[in-house]
Amino acid sequence: RKEVEQDPGPFNVPEGATVAFNCTYSNSASQSFFWYRQDCRKEPKLLMSVYSSGNEDGRFTAQLNRASQYISLLIRDSKLSDSATYLCVAHNAGNMLTFGGGTRLMVKP
Amino acid sequence: GAVVSQHPSWVICKSGTSVKIECRSLDFQATTMFWYRQFPKQSLMLMATSNEGSKATYEQGVEKDKFLINHASLTLSTLTVTSAHPEDSSFYICSASIPGIDSNQPQHFGDGTRLSIL
Repeated sequence: RKEVEQDPGPFNVPEGATVAFNCTYSNSASQSFFWYRQDCRKEPKLLMSVYSSGNEDGRFTAQLNRASQYISLLIRDSKLSDSATYLCVAHNAGNMLTFGGGTRLMVKP
Repeated sequence: GAVVSQHPSWVICKSGTSVKIECRSLDFQATTMFWYRQFPKQSLMLMATSNEGSKATYEQGVEKDKFLINHASLTLSTLTVTSAHPEDSSFYICSASIPGIDSNQPQHFGDGTRLSIL
Protein backbone atom coordinates (compact mmCIF):
# COMPACT_ATOMS: atom_id res chain seq x y z
CA ARG A 1 0.00 0.00 0.00
CA LYS A 2 1.27 3.47 -0.91
CA GLU A 3 1.93 5.85 1.94
CA VAL A 4 -0.16 8.59 0.30
CA GLU A 5 -3.00 7.58 -1.99
CA GLN A 6 -5.12 9.64 -4.34
CA ASP A 7 -7.71 8.97 -7.01
CA PRO A 8 -5.78 9.60 -10.25
CA GLY A 9 -8.85 10.94 -12.07
CA PRO A 10 -9.08 12.63 -14.48
CA PHE A 11 -11.83 14.84 -13.16
CA ASN A 12 -13.48 16.59 -16.10
CA VAL A 13 -15.57 19.52 -14.93
CA PRO A 14 -17.13 22.58 -16.57
CA GLU A 15 -16.00 26.08 -15.71
CA GLY A 16 -17.63 27.35 -12.55
CA ALA A 17 -18.09 23.90 -11.04
CA THR A 18 -17.05 22.88 -7.56
CA VAL A 19 -14.74 19.89 -7.38
CA ALA A 20 -13.34 17.96 -4.43
CA PHE A 21 -10.27 15.76 -4.23
CA ASN A 22 -9.54 13.26 -1.52
CA CYS A 23 -6.35 11.77 -0.21
CA THR A 24 -5.55 9.18 2.44
CA TYR A 25 -2.27 8.57 4.20
CA SER A 26 -0.94 5.63 6.16
CA ASN A 27 1.87 7.12 8.26
CA SER A 28 0.24 8.46 11.41
CA ALA A 29 3.56 10.09 12.35
CA SER A 30 3.43 12.48 9.39
CA GLN A 31 3.87 15.96 10.78
CA SER A 32 1.96 18.06 8.32
CA PHE A 33 0.43 17.98 4.88
CA PHE A 34 0.32 20.07 1.76
CA TRP A 35 -1.39 20.28 -1.58
CA TYR A 36 0.89 20.97 -4.52
CA ARG A 37 -0.10 21.78 -8.05
CA GLN A 38 1.87 20.45 -11.00
CA ASP A 39 1.42 21.55 -14.58
CA CYS A 40 2.52 19.32 -17.42
CA ARG A 41 6.33 19.09 -17.69
CA LYS A 42 6.82 21.52 -14.82
CA GLU A 43 8.00 21.27 -11.24
CA PRO A 44 5.38 21.00 -8.44
CA LYS A 45 4.36 24.28 -6.87
CA LEU A 46 3.03 24.65 -3.36
CA LEU A 47 -0.69 25.40 -3.39
CA MET A 48 -1.49 25.40 0.30
CA SER A 49 -0.86 23.83 3.66
CA VAL A 50 -3.48 21.62 5.26
CA TYR A 51 -4.58 22.06 8.86
CA SER A 52 -7.02 20.16 11.06
CA SER A 53 -8.93 23.38 11.57
CA GLY A 54 -9.30 23.79 7.83
CA ASN A 55 -7.49 26.22 5.62
CA GLU A 56 -9.09 28.49 3.03
CA ASP A 57 -7.29 30.49 0.37
CA GLY A 58 -9.66 32.19 -2.02
CA ARG A 59 -11.48 29.50 -3.97
CA PHE A 60 -9.46 26.71 -2.39
CA THR A 61 -10.24 24.97 0.90
CA ALA A 62 -8.13 22.22 2.42
CA GLN A 63 -9.04 20.02 5.35
CA LEU A 64 -7.22 17.41 7.43
CA ASN A 65 -8.87 14.70 9.49
CA ARG A 66 -6.15 13.02 11.54
CA ALA A 67 -8.50 10.46 13.08
CA SER A 68 -9.43 9.15 9.63
CA GLN A 69 -6.03 9.95 8.09
CA TYR A 70 -7.84 11.76 5.35
CA ILE A 71 -7.12 15.01 3.52
CA SER A 72 -9.33 16.96 1.14
CA LEU A 73 -9.08 19.83 -1.29
CA LEU A 74 -12.14 21.73 -2.49
CA ILE A 75 -12.00 24.05 -5.47
CA ARG A 76 -14.95 26.37 -5.97
CA ASP A 77 -15.85 28.24 -9.15
CA SER A 78 -13.35 26.29 -11.26
CA LYS A 79 -11.35 28.23 -13.83
CA LEU A 80 -9.76 26.92 -17.01
CA SER A 81 -6.41 27.78 -15.44
CA ASP A 82 -7.08 25.34 -12.60
CA SER A 83 -6.45 22.45 -15.01
CA ALA A 84 -3.44 20.64 -13.61
CA THR A 85 -2.44 17.68 -11.49
CA TYR A 86 -2.94 18.13 -7.76
CA LEU A 87 -0.52 16.33 -5.49
CA CYS A 88 -1.27 15.42 -1.89
CA VAL A 89 1.95 15.51 0.11
CA ALA A 90 2.90 14.31 3.58
CA HIS A 91 5.70 16.04 5.47
CA ASN A 92 7.74 13.68 7.59
CA ALA A 93 10.77 13.92 9.85
CA GLY A 94 13.92 15.31 8.31
CA ASN A 95 11.92 17.59 6.04
CA MET A 96 11.11 14.56 3.89
CA LEU A 97 8.13 14.79 1.57
CA THR A 98 6.09 11.83 0.36
CA PHE A 99 3.98 12.52 -2.69
CA GLY A 100 0.71 10.94 -3.64
CA GLY A 101 0.19 9.84 -7.21
CA GLY A 102 -1.68 13.00 -8.07
CA THR A 103 -5.21 13.75 -9.23
CA ARG A 104 -5.63 15.20 -12.67
CA LEU A 105 -8.18 17.98 -13.15
CA MET A 106 -9.44 19.16 -16.52
CA VAL A 107 -11.67 22.23 -16.48
CA LYS A 108 -13.54 22.74 -19.73
CA PRO A 109 -15.33 25.77 -21.14
CA GLY B 1 11.47 33.68 -1.26
CA ALA B 2 13.93 30.84 -1.49
CA VAL B 3 14.98 30.08 -5.05
CA VAL B 4 16.41 26.85 -6.38
CA SER B 5 17.95 26.79 -9.83
CA GLN B 6 18.33 23.57 -11.79
CA HIS B 7 20.38 23.21 -14.94
CA PRO B 8 20.04 22.12 -17.67
CA SER B 9 16.30 22.18 -18.17
CA TRP B 10 16.36 19.73 -21.07
CA VAL B 11 18.93 17.24 -22.28
CA ILE B 12 18.84 14.96 -25.29
CA CYS B 13 21.78 12.65 -25.74
CA LYS B 14 22.88 9.30 -27.05
CA SER B 15 22.76 6.08 -25.09
CA GLY B 16 25.95 5.55 -23.10
CA THR B 17 26.52 9.23 -22.38
CA SER B 18 26.90 10.46 -18.82
CA VAL B 19 24.79 13.48 -17.94
CA LYS B 20 25.34 15.90 -15.08
CA ILE B 21 22.49 17.92 -13.59
CA GLU B 22 23.16 20.82 -11.26
CA CYS B 23 20.97 22.07 -8.45
CA ARG B 24 21.78 25.39 -6.81
CA SER B 25 20.18 27.25 -3.96
CA LEU B 26 20.49 30.88 -5.01
CA ASP B 27 19.69 32.88 -1.93
CA PHE B 28 20.08 30.46 0.95
CA GLN B 29 22.35 27.71 2.17
CA ALA B 30 20.89 24.26 1.88
CA THR B 31 22.40 21.60 4.07
CA THR B 32 20.03 19.06 2.55
CA MET B 33 18.99 18.63 -1.06
CA PHE B 34 16.69 16.00 -2.47
CA TRP B 35 16.66 14.38 -5.89
CA TYR B 36 13.41 13.07 -7.37
CA ARG B 37 12.52 11.29 -10.57
CA GLN B 38 9.14 11.41 -12.26
CA PHE B 39 8.06 9.14 -15.10
CA PRO B 40 5.12 10.13 -17.32
CA LYS B 41 1.78 10.06 -15.54
CA GLN B 42 3.42 9.06 -12.28
CA SER B 43 4.20 11.01 -9.16
CA LEU B 44 7.54 12.18 -7.88
CA MET B 45 9.66 9.41 -6.43
CA LEU B 46 12.51 10.29 -4.10
CA MET B 47 15.80 8.94 -5.38
CA ALA B 48 18.21 10.19 -2.75
CA THR B 49 18.83 12.68 -0.01
CA SER B 50 22.01 14.68 -0.32
CA ASN B 51 23.72 16.22 2.69
CA GLU B 52 26.51 18.72 2.32
CA GLY B 53 29.90 17.18 2.95
CA SER B 54 28.69 13.61 3.33
CA LYS B 55 27.56 10.71 1.21
CA ALA B 56 24.07 10.74 -0.17
CA THR B 57 21.39 8.44 1.21
CA TYR B 58 19.76 6.49 -1.59
CA GLU B 59 16.25 5.11 -1.59
CA GLN B 60 15.70 1.40 -2.03
CA GLY B 61 16.05 0.34 -5.63
CA VAL B 62 18.14 3.33 -6.72
CA GLU B 63 21.62 2.38 -7.89
CA LYS B 64 24.21 4.57 -6.24
CA ASP B 65 26.81 3.73 -8.87
CA LYS B 66 24.42 4.70 -11.62
CA PHE B 67 23.24 7.95 -10.08
CA LEU B 68 26.22 9.75 -8.60
CA ILE B 69 25.39 12.57 -6.22
CA ASN B 70 27.85 15.17 -5.02
CA HIS B 71 26.98 17.89 -2.53
CA ALA B 72 30.27 19.69 -2.18
CA SER B 73 28.97 23.03 -0.98
CA LEU B 74 25.98 24.47 0.83
CA THR B 75 24.58 25.85 -2.40
CA LEU B 76 25.29 23.14 -4.97
CA SER B 77 24.38 19.50 -5.43
CA THR B 78 24.95 17.57 -8.64
CA LEU B 79 23.38 14.39 -9.97
CA THR B 80 25.30 12.49 -12.64
CA VAL B 81 23.47 9.81 -14.58
CA THR B 82 26.29 7.57 -15.69
CA SER B 83 26.14 5.67 -18.96
CA ALA B 84 22.54 6.70 -19.47
CA HIS B 85 20.17 4.41 -21.37
CA PRO B 86 16.69 5.02 -22.79
CA GLU B 87 15.05 3.67 -19.62
CA ASP B 88 16.73 6.50 -17.69
CA SER B 89 14.71 9.02 -19.70
CA SER B 90 12.63 10.87 -17.14
CA PHE B 91 11.97 14.20 -15.46
CA TYR B 92 14.53 14.79 -12.71
CA ILE B 93 13.71 17.37 -10.05
CA CYS B 94 15.81 18.62 -7.18
CA SER B 95 14.70 20.40 -4.07
CA ALA B 96 16.40 22.03 -1.13
CA SER B 97 15.42 22.52 2.45
CA ILE B 98 16.44 25.41 4.65
CA PRO B 99 18.11 24.36 7.91
CA GLY B 100 15.52 23.87 10.63
CA ILE B 101 11.97 22.90 10.00
CA ASP B 102 9.98 25.27 7.81
CA SER B 103 6.48 24.10 8.47
CA ASN B 104 5.05 26.31 5.75
CA GLN B 105 7.30 25.07 2.97
CA PRO B 106 9.69 22.28 3.89
CA GLN B 107 11.29 22.02 0.44
CA HIS B 108 11.90 24.43 -2.42
CA PHE B 109 11.93 22.87 -5.87
CA GLY B 110 14.06 23.47 -8.91
CA ASP B 111 12.47 23.74 -12.36
CA GLY B 112 13.34 20.16 -13.23
CA THR B 113 15.45 18.59 -15.96
CA ARG B 114 13.88 16.63 -18.76
CA LEU B 115 16.31 13.90 -19.81
CA SER B 116 15.78 12.08 -23.10
CA ILE B 117 18.17 9.29 -24.03
CA LEU B 118 18.09 8.17 -27.64
